[in-house]
Order: sequence, then C-alpha cells, then structure tokens
Amino acid sequence: GQSLEQPSEVTAVEGAIVQINCTYQTSGFYGLSWYQQHDGGAPTFLSYNALDGLEETGRFSSFLSRSDSYGYLLLQELQMKDSASYFCAVRARPRNRDDKIIFGKGTRLHILP
Amino acid sequence: GAVVSQHPSWVICKSGTSVKIECRSLDFQATTMFWYRQFPKQSLMLMATSNEGSKATYEQGVEKDKFLINHASLTLSTLTVTSAHPEDSSFYICSAGGQSQNGYTFGSGTRLTVV
Repeated sequence: GQSLEQPSEVTAVEGAIVQINCTYQTSGFYGLSWYQQHDGGAPTFLSYNALDGLEETGRFSSFLSRSDSYGYLLLQELQMKDSASYFCAVRARPRNRDDKIIFGKGTRLHILP
Repeated sequence: GAVVSQHPSWVICKSGTSVKIECRSLDFQATTMFWYRQFPKQSLMLMATSNEGSKATYEQGVEKDKFLINHASLTLSTLTVTSAHPEDSSFYICSAGGQSQNGYTFGSGTRLTVV
C-alpha cells in the first residue's frame, strides 16, 4: 500500500520561512504533489515534482528526492493568509491498478503575527 | 485552467434517504475521476476511482453498494450515498485531471449532513 508521513502541526511567524517535510512509501511512484486547504474549502493545487530537485513558484517551492522518498514544501515571506492545512500527495500507479493520488494526513500551519 | 464543478455544495438529508452528488469537468474530458471523503480535521481518504464506461474501483473498506458511482460520460461522474446514516456525514470531494504532469483539479466539495 501507500503511506505518507508529514508533521501534524507547524507554527511560524509572519514574514518568516517554513519548511514542511513529507516522506512516503509507495509502489509505482509518479510524483509528489502539494495541496493547500483552508477550513471549509476544497484543496487547491500548489506544486508537483516528478523529478528530483527544486521547483519554484513564487513564494512557494517544492523539493523531491526520489532516492530518499522524501520531499518538502518551502513557504517564504509568510503571510497570515497562508494559515491553512498543507497536504503532500503521492501520484502512483500500483501494479494492475489505476493511476491514483493518495494524501498524507496534512500539516496544519499556524502563523503568528 | 481545468475546472471541475461539483454540486450540490451542501445537503442535509434524513436517515435512510439517498443523496446524489455530481462532478463535472467543464473544459476537458476526464476518463478518470476520483472520489474522496474528508472528516473534520482529517485527511482526504480516497473512496473510489471512477472510470468512464466501466465499473468504479473501490478502495478497501468502502462499501460499493452503499456508495454508488456512475461515470456515464467523459465529463460527468456521480456519487450516490444510499440509505444514508448520520455517520455518513462528511465532506465529499471529487477530483479529475491528469491532463498534464501537474496536479489534479478538485471540485468545491459537498458537505453532507445526515439527520
């Protein structure tokens, strides 16, 4: 089966930088995604890494190391609106099964003024 | 970008009744859609994978006779919660995509409350 591990909560100060780590175990790995979800809302896509390395999109960057089954989401210049839950998700195709996305348990990011 | 429309956004129903949730891909064809359930302060749990023109693939522990999935066209998938019970109250979210190497697009979700 698939499993993902990420911290349950992280607290940071407005304007600072925070890194949310994610380790995973899966077969048929395609890539690692990150999603943001505010309370009561649906998840929104942030980034996707299929290859090793760092992908940068504005204030958010995401990193993947396939050999270590590890990735992280880096948020810079934190703003109060970044307070949300962040989910890492594995895109995988286990043997004889369909392509699927499996989510980690999520990291609740608290931002202090 | 890709848009997935999900309706209704919220619904309250009585125990024992059935509720249908629709998920439409508006500007692309989705051969595969995913249905997730999310309880408060928990993660999104994959319930089933919906394939156009064939039977859905259910995750372990999900009752296929209770959660009926129909994917009759390339733009529409429906989830019907049959004989709903209060423990079925949850946030149900569909997802479609795979059009690029980027992530899948989610619908806005349906908050189901069974009373």
